This record gives sequence, C-alpha cells and structure tokens, in this order.
Amino acid sequence: ETGVTQSPTHLIKTRGQQVTLRCSSQSGHNTVSWYQQALGQGPQFIFQYYREEENGRGNFPPRFSGLQFPNYSSELNVNALELDDSALYLCASSLEGGGARGYTFGSGTRLTVV
Amino acid sequence: AQSVTQLDSHVSVSEGTPVLLRCNYSSSYSPSLFWYVQHPNKGLQLLLKYTSAATLVKGINGFEAEFKKSETSFHLTKPSAHMSDAAEYFCVVSDQLSGTYKYIFGTGTRLKVLA
Repeated sequence: ETGVTQSPTHLIKTRGQQVTLRCSSQSGHNTVSWYQQALGQGPQFIFQYYREEENGRGNFPPRFSGLQFPNYSSELNVNALELDDSALYLCASSLEGGGARGYTFGSGTRLTVV
Repeated sequence: AQSVTQLDSHVSVSEGTPVLLRCNYSSSYSPSLFWYVQHPNKGLQLLLKYTSAATLVKGINGFEAEFKKSETSFHLTKPSAHMSDAAEYFCVVSDQLSGTYKYIFGTGTRLKVLA
C-alpha cells in the first residue's frame, strides 16, 4: 500500500506570485487535509476535502484554496504569496472524514517565499 | 474548544534511560488523542492513538501513553531511549468542526538523546 506523496519537495517563490502544491492520497483514502507548519511550530489546519468537497476550514484567508479530484488526489493553491507563507506544507489523508481513525501524513513541501 | 499543551519544549535524556514527554489536554467531550513523531526534514509519523478504549495505549518503537481523565493528561513514555528516538514529538487532539475532524497540535517537544 502506498503512502501519501507530495510534490514538489522544495519550492522557492517570490512575494506576490502564486503556487500550487500537489498531494496523492494513500490508496483508498477519500479525505484529504492540508496543514501549514511554520518553523519551530506545530502544524496548523488549513482545510479539508471529503469526496471532492471542502468540508472544513481553519483560520486562513481566501487566497489559500484547494481542490480534490475524483481519484482523491488534491492541490493546495496559494495566491499573492507573502513572506509569512514560508513554511512546510503537509498533506494528510484518511478514510471517511478522519477523526478517531487518524491521518497518514506526507513528507511535506517546503515553500520559501523571498 | 479542544486544545493540548505540551509542558516541555525540550527534553534531554541519556541513551538507555526512560523517556517522559508530557501533554495535557482540554476537551468538552471524550477526546481522541494522538502522539506523532517528526524526524528532521520528514513528515509526521503516528506513534499511537487513544480513542476511548483502553487507557494505556501501546504504540510503535516501544512507546506508550496513558490517558488519565482525572488529570487531563496523555503523557508519552518509553522505558529505554535509543539514539534514533531523537526527534520532535507532537501531542494532538482531534476536534470536530461542523462535521469535519481536524487535528489540533501542541507546540512540540524536541527530544535529545545523549550518548
């Protein structure tokens, strides 16, 4: 069984640009969540997708958006990048909304905004 | 609202000695609690989870945690530390938000293992 894979592993962007991060869920998982982990901090919940619909969002502005595809892979898009968006972005997948089942995390995409 | 507090930002132990990483939680209902480990430049790996079954939970790599409702604690322990245990550890509570389950992470405890 394959785990969660994210691409790219590292990325450098300029302030004001747009970025797309990608995630392939673990086989059979229909729920994907995205987290932002700033340096030295715990991950913060961005949003979650369940069967291609966003069904929960954390305290992030609308310039953070996402998609989930029929094969349950997912994208995180960030527009108008700011320096504070520099972080490790983690994708996590689960069955049926997560909860007590727990999530499987990918290794993350390290985004640096200059 | 759910929350977790990790009481130590850094813990140092000698190889072969016990490990104790402390976590307190706040929850308005019976929580689901987790411990994750993050090695440098790696993603998060699930160590163990508590979901209202047995209060003593055994995880991978010799780790275990005990859920104590009276103390609102979920401390992580290991009898004997190994050099490979050096990493960042996160205590996590699962919070339900309008039908969505999201994780709320503690601020992390960095474990250092001395030879």
